[in-house]
Amino acid sequence: AQKVTQAQTEISVVEKEDVTLDCVYETRDTTYYLFWYKQPPSGELVFLIRRNSFDEQNEISGRYSWNFQKSTSSFNFTITASQVVDSAVYFCALKETSGSRLTFGEGTQLTVNP
Amino acid sequence: DTGVSQDPRHKITKRGQNVTFRCDPISEHNRLYWYRQTLGQGPEFLTYFQNEAQLEKSRLLSDRFSAERPKGSFSTLEIQRTEQGDSAMYLCASSLGGVAQPQHFGDGTRLSIL
Repeated sequence: AQKVTQAQTEISVVEKEDVTLDCVYETRDTTYYLFWYKQPPSGELVFLIRRNSFDEQNEISGRYSWNFQKSTSSFNFTITASQVVDSAVYFCALKETSGSRLTFGEGTQLTVNP
Repeated sequence: DTGVSQDPRHKITKRGQNVTFRCDPISEHNRLYWYRQTLGQGPEFLTYFQNEAQLEKSRLLSDRFSAERPKGSFSTLEIQRTEQGDSAMYLCASSLGGVAQPQHFGDGTRLSIL
């Protein structure tokens, strides 16, 4: 069965610091998709990125970057020069091609202090 | 493009009552999902529709829960004889067809059982 683990329950940083959120997953499928979502205090889950299991290229989008390593089953998310508006709960999720559901980790609460 | 819309945002009810939630997906999305999220946890999958067909249900979806999507557009989730343990945020998401498509979430309906 699929599983996503986000070992960091809470992280607190000072504005402008870089921060990395860890995600480790388990799946028996050879083809799958990984996602990161942001959930601000308002509650809506906001889609950030999708990564295919067969594409291990890292990706950068502005202050966000993602490091996918299939060998260690990890899909980590880095925010560079963090801002107060980055404060939210961040979820990593896995979708196997054999199913329709997203399996989420427990989330990491990120607090960026001014 | 309007996003996923859920109604109501909050529902407070007494134990034993029935409640019904509504979800309006993004208009061109043929797939619709329901998740439940309790405090401090990631969302958990409940059920999935492709057009009007309910194709997958989680074991979390007890006999007291029923979901419909009668015309392949909006969906309703009904909980009968509510229990304290039903208190949670109920999230709806929609997506285009295709296994890699990201799911886009609504703001959720927060259910509180007195």
